[in-house]
Amino acid sequence: DTGVSQDPRHKITKRGQNVTFRCDPISEHNRLYWYRQTLGQGPEFLTYFQNEAQLEKSRLLSDRFSAERPKGSFSTLEIQRTEQGDSAMYLCASSFRERVASGNTIYFGEGSWLTVV
Amino acid sequence: KQEVTQIPAALSVPEGENLVLNCSFTDSAIYNLQWFRQDPGKGLTSLLLIQSSQREQTSGRLNASLDKSSGRSTLYIAASQPGDSATYLCAVRPLFNNDMRFGAGTRLTVKP
Repeated sequence: DTGVSQDPRHKITKRGQNVTFRCDPISEHNRLYWYRQTLGQGPEFLTYFQNEAQLEKSRLLSDRFSAERPKGSFSTLEIQRTEQGDSAMYLCASSFRERVASGNTIYFGEGSWLTVV
Repeated sequence: KQEVTQIPAALSVPEGENLVLNCSFTDSAIYNLQWFRQDPGKGLTSLLLIQSSQREQTSGRLNASLDKSSGRSTLYIAASQPGDSATYLCAVRPLFNNDMRFGAGTRLTVKP
């Protein structure tokens, strides 16, 4: 079990370009989350999957953002026509719903830093 | 809308001191509350999770308490060490969705 992994760790892109981030959750986890974090703030919820179904989306997730989890394993977060305000760290997390005893502890990846210039 | 506040925003203490970090939330209809540690430029590491029916959880030198009715949680760190220097975040998960809300964190510095 290698934990939640995210790729790439850092991305610098020009305004208007599209970017895609990948997240590989802990293998037995059926829940996957995306968060966004800016400097000095706590993470903000973007979206949540249970298996391959996207069950919740934040109002923060504008039409330029799309997330998928096609086979209920890894997930991708794509940002189209990036804007400078998209610069942030994008965090992926996973948890396992049925482990009630653990209280659904959520495990985070190291994050993907996006800088839009 | 759930609001989570952490006080203080930053704290600097000498090594060996016991300290308390505070977290308050506005809506007591929570499923659980979790404390995380975040090192600069890194992801979050879960420290303690308290279910809404629990009052406290302990792990090593860490103790977290939860008073749901008053909307408060504290993280107690005993005998602080320089390696404890990090940002500590609390997050509450609501009863009916997975939109976990985070505070802005307390940046802790433990001086040798």
